[in-house]
Amino acid sequence: EDKVVQSPLSLVVHEGDTVTLNCSYEVTNFRSLLWYKQEKKAPTFLFMLTSSGIEKKSGRLSSILDKKELSSILNITATQTGDSAIYLCAVEALKTDKLIFGTGTRLQVFP
Amino acid sequence: DVKVTQSSRYLVKRTGEKVFLECVQDMDHENMFWYRQDPGLGLRLIYFSYDVKMKEKGDIPEGYSVSREKKERFSLILESASTNQTSMYLCASHGRAFYNEQFFGPGTRLTVL
Repeated sequence: EDKVVQSPLSLVVHEGDTVTLNCSYEVTNFRSLLWYKQEKKAPTFLFMLTSSGIEKKSGRLSSILDKKELSSILNITATQTGDSAIYLCAVEALKTDKLIFGTGTRLQVFP
Repeated sequence: DVKVTQSSRYLVKRTGEKVFLECVQDMDHENMFWYRQDPGLGLRLIYFSYDVKMKEKGDIPEGYSVSREKKERFSLILESASTNQTSMYLCASHGRAFYNEQFFGPGTRLTVL
């Protein structure tokens, strides 16, 4: 059965810290891995990763995929209180338009 | 910008009532999805649709049905609401490009008393 596992489940840090969120997957016929940020309402798209070893970057956020290890990390440097959210990882398989989601990592950043 | 809207942000219903949750997208996307999100369980797919009048069961379809009469609109129906259907319901859509993220609506928090 396809599955996506995220760790840690929850993380509490102070502003300025750097955090690394993990996502591992077991999915038949992998197509892409996506990261979303969810604050109080809809998840908003962060990154889509399709190739191993190519880092995607947006401001203080970056992410990379390792297809050999079947995993991805999401890094956030110099965290701010506005980074507090649930971070969702999802994987899409070939021949399907469905996303398989992990349970998410809840990040809380305190001043 | 893709816009996915849902008919209600908050809804409170009684056990046994019929509940309609509506989702509309304005980007002419073929694919639409209904998820529910519960603490510790993440997002779980209820139903999805590849095109008008087409529907497929997701991972947890029991107790739900859907309707897709028009391309832009995907409705989730709870025929007889139960307390274990209290949850956050999220609708999403995406087009048929090979690589394409899903765009989410704002969610409906349903409470069944």
